[in-house]
Amino acid sequence: QVQLQESGPRRVSPSGTLSLTCPVSGSSIRSHYYWGWIRQSPGMGLEWIGSIYHTGGASYNPSLKGRVAISVDPSDNHFSLRLESVTAADTAIYYCARQIGVGATWFDPWDQGILVTVSS
Amino acid sequence: HSVLTQPPSVSGAPGQRVSIPCTGNSSNIGAGFDVHWYQQLPDTAPRLLISTDNSRPSGVPDRFSASKSATAAYLAISGLQAEDEADYYCQSFDSRLLVVFGGGTKLTVL
Repeated sequence: QVQLQESGPRRVSPSGTLSLTCPVSGSSIRSHYYWGWIRQSPGMGLEWIGSIYHTGGASYNPSLKGRVAISVDPSDNHFSLRLESVTAADTAIYYCARQIGVGATWFDPWDQGILVTVSS
Repeated sequence: HSVLTQPPSVSGAPGQRVSIPCTGNSSNIGAGFDVHWYQQLPDTAPRLLISTDNSRPSGVPDRFSASKSATAAYLAISGLQAEDEADYYCQSFDSRLLVVFGGGTKLTVL
């Protein structure tokens, strides 16, 4: 059974960089799936951040492009998120998830999420 | 402002059937892309409810079903139960924006 358990700082200073890592267990990250990041601002809906394949090819939400980078480490079976120049608007619960399918892919499973607060 | 539009809330009495619409346009649902549905119980992470071809993961009761029309998709819940009270999100693919979610619908069981 695939499990994801992300980790990273719960607080980031304004203008700083948010960094999260999502180790994958129960499946090789080299499997034919994408791996994605999604966030949810307090009391709000879901926003896709970006996704990556184990070969390193990534796609991003155009609204975040330029600030976001997703990387993958197949040797350590994890993928990571980096979001630069954060503001209070980036305060959210961040989720990592496996992405399945072709074309209109779907996310399953999701990890439990981490609330990251941007504040000084 | 979400690319896929959902009503903020719906409600129904136990045992009733409710339907949650998810409206898109010609660059997502109207382009033929599949629509998937997630359930988010209070203070938990979203979980996949229904994916391509009305497929339900193990543990999801068949009271949940999905359908699609030209530019909209629908999640139907029959035999409403108190445990169904949650937020529901639709998700699809958009030729310009890639992965898109609906704004979410809060289901209240009266």
